Amino acid sequence: DTAVSQTPKYLVTQMGNDKSIKCEQNLGHDTMYWYKQDSKKFLKIMFSYNNKELIINETVPNRFSPKSPDKAHLNLHINSLELGDSAVYFCASSQKLPGLAGAPLEQYFGPGTRLTVT
Amino acid sequence: GNSVTQMEGPVTLSEEAFLTINCTYTATGYPSLFWYVQYPGEGLQLLLKATKADDKGSNKGFEATYRKETTSFHLEKGSVQVSDSAVYFCALTGYSGGGADGLTFGKGTHLIIQP
Repeated sequence: DTAVSQTPKYLVTQMGNDKSIKCEQNLGHDTMYWYKQDSKKFLKIMFSYNNKELIINETVPNRFSPKSPDKAHLNLHINSLELGDSAVYFCASSQKLPGLAGAPLEQYFGPGTRLTVT
Repeated sequence: GNSVTQMEGPVTLSEEAFLTINCTYTATGYPSLFWYVQYPGEGLQLLLKATKADDKGSNKGFEATYRKETTSFHLEKGSVQVSDSAVYFCALTGYSGGGADGLTFGKGTHLIIQP
């Protein structure tokens, strides 16, 4: 069984369209994330969700909106796609720590979705 | 804010050579440190981790020691193989109280091992 899965693996679309990327994890984790990897392989956090609450929202355009129907899923919706949105998008998950003590745990990544906007 | 600096490649070595990829970080508090590896066309895999000072993470012959005094987490391997060719990312995460933070990544080091 795949721990963190994403669909689709490849997505080619035209500027101005609206698209979604789906992510599912079967690890029982409480926190899920979206990362963007640009053409130079640089990775940057976009969002994270913990128990259906958005807890990180970096300076990402509001055309991007995460939606979490339940703890195991975190989908990424993108409106009015632009050329600069072309990238590989990775979903990840990790276990929430009890209380405020303890070290942050590792994140497990999905295989990525390569988005190409033409 | 948090930041990670790692040597940028590509780094080209011959098979069985000794590998070091340097990584230094800036962070508040006591972050956890990680090395992730990305093989061509694939996602990121956790290679090793260390959660407190002087911890040594190890996996598949790779090692890295959490050095708080030098804020470093250098990756080493005694004898590399062609199959180690990949992009290696140093990363850290802190903890902001409301939940787990996202990872802060270095820019990645492309490692090429020649037979």
